[in-house]
Amino acid sequence: NAGVTQTPKFQVLKTGQSMTLQCAQDMNHEYMSWYRQDPGMGLRLIHYSVGAGITDQGEVPNGYNVSRSTTEDFPLRLLSAAPSQTSVYFCASSYISHNSPLHFGNGTRLTVT
Amino acid sequence: GEDVEQSLFLSVREGDSSVINCTYTDSSSTYLYWYKQEPGAGLQLLTYIFSNMDMKQDQRLTVLLNKKDKHLSLRIADTQTGDSAIYFCAETNAGNNRKLIWGLGTSLAVNP
Repeated sequence: NAGVTQTPKFQVLKTGQSMTLQCAQDMNHEYMSWYRQDPGMGLRLIHYSVGAGITDQGEVPNGYNVSRSTTEDFPLRLLSAAPSQTSVYFCASSYISHNSPLHFGNGTRLTVT
Repeated sequence: GEDVEQSLFLSVREGDSSVINCTYTDSSSTYLYWYKQEPGAGLQLLTYIFSNMDMKQDQRLTVLLNKKDKHLSLRIADTQTGDSAIYFCAETNAGNNRKLIWGLGTSLAVNP
């Protein structure tokens, strides 16, 4: 089973460049989310979606866009990368019920120079 | 806002028990989770407990919940070097649209 697949694994961008981090899940999960993980800051929620066509902001949404055109995919877009966006990004998905655990991808390590 | 706190580091000897502690502030908490993160990987669910339970046991893992003190612990029996990882505590409540509140993680080092 593939689970949650994130691509790429590593990326280096220059300030001002744009890119899309891809996330796909094959578990028919309604809920999908993006987190960033920084030393000393833990996991912070960027954006989330409770179903196709529905997205909402998390704690730290500025500088990021998302869309959810299908149940399977939840791409994260950086429109104009900044050094402050250097981080490890995790996509996670689950069923919508509250006791359904989050399944995480293996992360994308992004460096913005 | 709601908060989850964990100690940042724990070091144990192989074969000993490890106890990782977590405190939270959300009095409406419904589910509490323990996740494990190995180097270079995503987080993996270890176990979770519903807020009306006191204890949950799963092989080497024992979760204890003191709801009055808002204290959660994870005990790993017979700790092995493969248990070296970062352990995250997280909680959610029924009213927050599946938003989890995360601790900063406890880095467990297992020494041979």
